[in-house]
Amino acid sequence: DAGVIQSPRHEVTEMGQEVTLRCKPISGHDYLFWYRQTMMRGLELLIYFNNNVPIDDSGMPEDRFSAKMPNASFSTLKIQPSEPRDSAVYFCASSPAPGRRGGGYTFGSGTRLTVV
Amino acid sequence: DAKTTQPTSMDCAEGRAANLPCNHSTISGNEYVYWYRQIHSQGPQYIIHGLKNNETNEMASLIITEDRKSSTLILPHATLRDTAVYYCIVRLPNNAGNMLTFGGGTRLMVKP
Repeated sequence: DAGVIQSPRHEVTEMGQEVTLRCKPISGHDYLFWYRQTMMRGLELLIYFNNNVPIDDSGMPEDRFSAKMPNASFSTLKIQPSEPRDSAVYFCASSPAPGRRGGGYTFGSGTRLTVV
Repeated sequence: DAKTTQPTSMDCAEGRAANLPCNHSTISGNEYVYWYRQIHSQGPQYIIHGLKNNETNEMASLIITEDRKSSTLILPHATLRDTAVYYCIVRLPNNAGNMLTFGGGTRLMVKP
Protein backbone atom coordinates (compact mmCIF):
# COMPACT_ATOMS: atom_id res chain seq x y z
CA ASP A 1 0.00 0.00 0.00
CA ALA A 2 1.30 3.45 -0.89
CA GLY A 3 -0.05 4.93 2.32
CA VAL A 4 -2.19 8.03 2.57
CA ILE A 5 -1.66 10.17 -0.51
CA GLN A 6 -2.19 13.91 -0.49
CA SER A 7 -2.03 16.40 -3.30
CA PRO A 8 -0.71 18.89 -4.02
CA ARG A 9 2.37 18.91 -1.76
CA HIS A 10 2.62 22.67 -2.01
CA GLU A 11 0.05 25.27 -2.95
CA VAL A 12 0.55 29.00 -3.24
CA THR A 13 -2.54 31.04 -3.97
CA GLU A 14 -3.77 34.58 -3.78
CA MET A 15 -6.20 35.75 -1.17
CA GLY A 16 -9.77 35.25 -2.28
CA GLN A 17 -9.07 32.27 -4.49
CA GLU A 18 -10.58 28.83 -4.01
CA VAL A 19 -8.24 26.11 -2.82
CA THR A 20 -8.92 22.36 -3.00
CA LEU A 21 -6.80 19.85 -1.14
CA ARG A 22 -7.07 16.16 -1.97
CA CYS A 23 -6.58 12.95 -0.06
CA LYS A 24 -6.60 9.26 -0.89
CA PRO A 25 -6.81 7.15 2.29
CA ILE A 26 -5.47 3.65 2.78
CA SER A 27 -7.79 1.07 1.29
CA GLY A 28 -9.93 -0.58 3.92
CA HIS A 29 -9.61 2.17 6.49
CA ASP A 30 -12.97 3.23 7.88
CA TYR A 31 -11.97 6.64 9.20
CA LEU A 32 -10.56 9.71 7.50
CA PHE A 33 -9.35 12.82 9.30
CA TRP A 34 -8.29 16.28 8.22
CA TYR A 35 -5.82 18.17 10.45
CA ARG A 36 -4.23 21.58 10.21
CA GLN A 37 -0.84 22.42 11.68
CA THR A 38 0.54 25.86 12.45
CA MET A 39 3.36 27.01 14.68
CA MET A 40 0.96 28.84 16.94
CA ARG A 41 -1.76 26.21 17.35
CA GLY A 42 -0.01 22.91 16.65
CA LEU A 43 -2.02 20.04 15.16
CA GLU A 44 -5.74 20.69 15.13
CA LEU A 45 -8.43 18.26 14.05
CA LEU A 46 -10.74 19.94 11.55
CA ILE A 47 -13.19 17.20 10.57
CA TYR A 48 -13.43 13.45 10.36
CA PHE A 49 -15.44 10.91 8.41
CA ASN A 50 -16.54 7.39 9.24
CA ASN A 51 -17.47 5.23 6.26
CA ASN A 52 -17.59 8.35 4.07
CA VAL A 53 -20.03 10.15 6.37
CA PRO A 54 -18.92 13.37 8.12
CA ILE A 55 -19.21 12.78 11.84
CA ASP A 56 -17.73 15.82 13.55
CA ASP A 57 -16.86 19.09 11.85
CA SER A 58 -16.65 21.16 15.01
CA GLY A 59 -13.00 21.89 14.30
CA MET A 60 -13.69 23.54 10.96
CA PRO A 61 -12.79 27.18 11.58
CA GLU A 62 -15.59 28.78 9.62
CA ASP A 63 -17.98 28.43 6.72
CA ARG A 64 -15.23 29.11 4.22
CA PHE A 65 -14.03 25.57 4.91
CA SER A 66 -15.83 22.51 3.59
CA ALA A 67 -14.91 18.85 3.24
CA LYS A 68 -16.39 16.00 1.28
CA MET A 69 -15.82 12.30 0.93
CA PRO A 70 -17.75 11.12 -2.13
CA ASN A 71 -16.38 7.57 -1.87
CA ALA A 72 -14.11 5.43 0.28
CA SER A 73 -11.00 6.29 -1.69
CA PHE A 74 -11.17 10.06 -1.98
CA SER A 75 -11.73 13.16 0.10
CA THR A 76 -11.37 16.89 -0.48
CA LEU A 77 -10.94 19.89 1.77
CA LYS A 78 -11.97 23.14 0.16
CA ILE A 79 -11.36 26.71 1.26
CA GLN A 80 -13.39 29.39 -0.48
CA PRO A 81 -12.43 32.20 -0.34
CA SER A 82 -8.94 31.67 1.04
CA GLU A 83 -7.29 34.13 3.41
CA PRO A 84 -3.66 34.61 4.50
CA ARG A 85 -4.45 33.22 7.97
CA ASP A 86 -5.34 29.90 6.33
CA SER A 87 -1.67 29.40 5.56
CA ALA A 88 -0.66 26.14 7.25
CA VAL A 89 0.20 22.52 6.59
CA TYR A 90 -2.91 20.41 6.11
CA PHE A 91 -2.68 16.73 6.90
CA CYS A 92 -5.01 13.94 5.99
CA ALA A 93 -4.97 10.71 8.02
CA SER A 94 -6.86 7.45 7.90
CA SER A 95 -7.32 4.64 10.37
CA PRO A 96 -9.01 1.27 10.61
CA ALA A 97 -11.94 0.76 12.90
CA PRO A 98 -11.11 0.97 16.60
CA GLY A 99 -9.89 -2.28 18.02
CA ARG A 100 -7.88 -3.15 14.94
CA ARG A 101 -4.28 -2.31 15.76
CA GLY A 102 -5.76 0.03 18.34
CA GLY A 103 -7.07 2.28 15.63
CA GLY A 104 -3.60 3.63 14.84
CA TYR A 105 -3.56 6.47 12.39
CA THR A 106 -1.53 6.75 9.18
CA PHE A 107 -0.85 10.30 8.06
CA GLY A 108 -0.15 11.64 4.63
CA SER A 109 2.80 13.88 3.86
CA GLY A 110 0.66 17.00 4.05
CA THR A 111 -0.10 19.96 1.83
CA ARG A 112 1.72 23.19 2.62
CA LEU A 113 -0.67 26.00 1.80
CA THR A 114 0.48 29.58 1.46
CA VAL A 115 -2.09 32.28 0.86
CA VAL A 116 -0.60 35.62 -0.18
CA ASP B 1 -9.46 11.52 26.99
CA ALA B 2 -6.90 12.05 29.74
CA LYS B 3 -4.42 14.90 29.39
CA THR B 4 -0.69 14.33 29.24
CA THR B 5 2.36 16.29 30.31
CA GLN B 6 5.67 16.04 28.47
CA PRO B 7 8.92 18.00 28.65
CA THR B 8 9.14 20.56 25.90
CA SER B 9 12.52 19.42 24.66
CA MET B 10 15.28 16.89 25.25
CA ASP B 11 18.72 16.14 23.87
CA CYS B 12 20.27 12.73 23.34
CA ALA B 13 23.67 11.61 22.10
CA GLU B 14 23.70 9.51 18.95
CA GLY B 15 23.91 5.81 19.76
CA ARG B 16 22.61 6.24 23.28
CA ALA B 17 19.17 5.37 24.53
CA ALA B 18 16.59 8.14 24.41
CA ASN B 19 14.08 7.98 27.26
CA LEU B 20 11.06 10.21 26.75
CA PRO B 21 8.78 10.59 29.79
CA CYS B 22 5.07 11.28 29.83
CA ASN B 23 2.80 11.94 32.79
CA HIS B 24 -0.87 11.00 32.56
CA SER B 25 -2.04 11.01 36.17
CA THR B 26 -5.75 11.20 35.26
CA ILE B 27 -5.71 8.18 32.98
CA SER B 28 -8.74 5.95 33.34
CA GLY B 29 -8.76 2.18 33.44
CA ASN B 30 -9.60 1.60 29.79
CA GLU B 31 -7.46 4.28 28.23
CA TYR B 32 -4.42 3.36 26.20
CA VAL B 33 -1.14 5.24 25.91
CA TYR B 34 -0.14 6.03 22.32
CA TRP B 35 3.08 7.48 21.00
CA TYR B 36 3.50 9.23 17.69
CA ARG B 37 6.38 11.21 16.30
CA GLN B 38 6.68 13.89 13.67
CA ILE B 39 9.88 14.32 11.76
CA HIS B 40 10.37 17.74 10.23
CA SER B 41 8.19 18.35 7.16
CA GLN B 42 6.45 14.99 7.48
CA GLY B 43 3.14 13.82 8.86
CA PRO B 44 2.99 12.24 12.32
CA GLN B 45 3.99 8.59 12.45
CA TYR B 46 2.57 5.94 14.76
CA ILE B 47 5.22 4.38 17.01
CA ILE B 48 3.64 2.18 19.65
CA HIS B 49 0.76 1.90 22.08
CA GLY B 50 -0.07 -0.02 25.24
CA LEU B 51 -2.57 -0.46 28.04
CA LYS B 52 -0.64 -1.63 31.09
CA ASN B 53 1.96 -4.14 30.03
CA ASN B 54 5.28 -3.03 28.63
CA GLU B 55 5.38 -3.18 24.87
CA THR B 56 8.19 -3.46 22.35
CA ASN B 57 8.30 -3.30 18.59
CA GLU B 58 10.89 -2.65 15.92
CA MET B 59 10.85 1.07 16.61
CA ALA B 60 10.75 1.45 20.37
CA SER B 61 9.79 0.16 23.79
CA LEU B 62 7.02 1.49 25.97
CA ILE B 63 7.28 1.22 29.72
CA ILE B 64 4.10 1.96 31.68
CA THR B 65 4.29 2.30 35.46
CA GLU B 66 2.25 -0.06 37.58
CA ASP B 67 -0.19 2.70 38.60
CA ARG B 68 -0.36 3.75 34.91
CA LYS B 69 0.09 7.39 35.80
CA SER B 70 3.21 7.76 33.73
CA SER B 71 5.09 6.07 30.92
CA THR B 72 8.41 6.22 29.12
CA LEU B 73 9.13 5.74 25.46
CA ILE B 74 12.56 4.27 24.89
CA LEU B 75 14.52 4.48 21.67
CA PRO B 76 17.30 2.03 22.48
CA HIS B 77 19.96 3.36 20.09
CA ALA B 78 19.02 6.83 18.93
CA THR B 79 20.18 7.97 15.52
CA LEU B 80 20.17 11.41 13.93
CA ARG B 81 17.06 10.38 12.02
CA ASP B 82 15.19 10.05 15.32
CA THR B 83 15.29 13.82 15.74
CA ALA B 84 11.59 14.71 15.84
CA VAL B 85 8.70 15.85 18.00
CA TYR B 86 7.33 12.97 20.04
CA TYR B 87 3.69 13.02 21.11
CA CYS B 88 2.27 11.04 24.01
CA ILE B 89 -1.50 10.64 23.74
CA VAL B 90 -3.90 8.91 26.09
CA ARG B 91 -7.23 7.82 24.71
CA LEU B 92 -9.79 5.10 24.49
CA PRO B 93 -9.14 3.10 21.31
CA ASN B 94 -12.85 3.17 20.62
CA ASN B 95 -13.56 6.67 21.85
CA ALA B 96 -16.27 8.63 20.21
CA GLY B 97 -15.08 9.10 16.70
CA ASN B 98 -11.74 7.36 17.22
CA MET B 99 -10.26 10.83 17.49
CA LEU B 100 -6.62 11.60 18.23
CA THR B 101 -5.85 14.87 20.00
CA PHE B 102 -2.28 16.13 19.91
CA GLY B 103 -0.62 18.23 22.59
CA GLY B 104 2.70 20.03 22.35
CA GLY B 105 4.93 16.96 22.45
CA THR B 106 8.64 16.68 23.24
CA ARG B 107 11.15 17.94 20.72
CA LEU B 108 13.98 15.38 20.76
CA MET B 109 17.29 16.47 19.33
CA VAL B 110 19.77 13.66 18.69
CA LYS B 111 23.27 15.04 18.52
CA PRO B 112 26.38 13.46 16.98
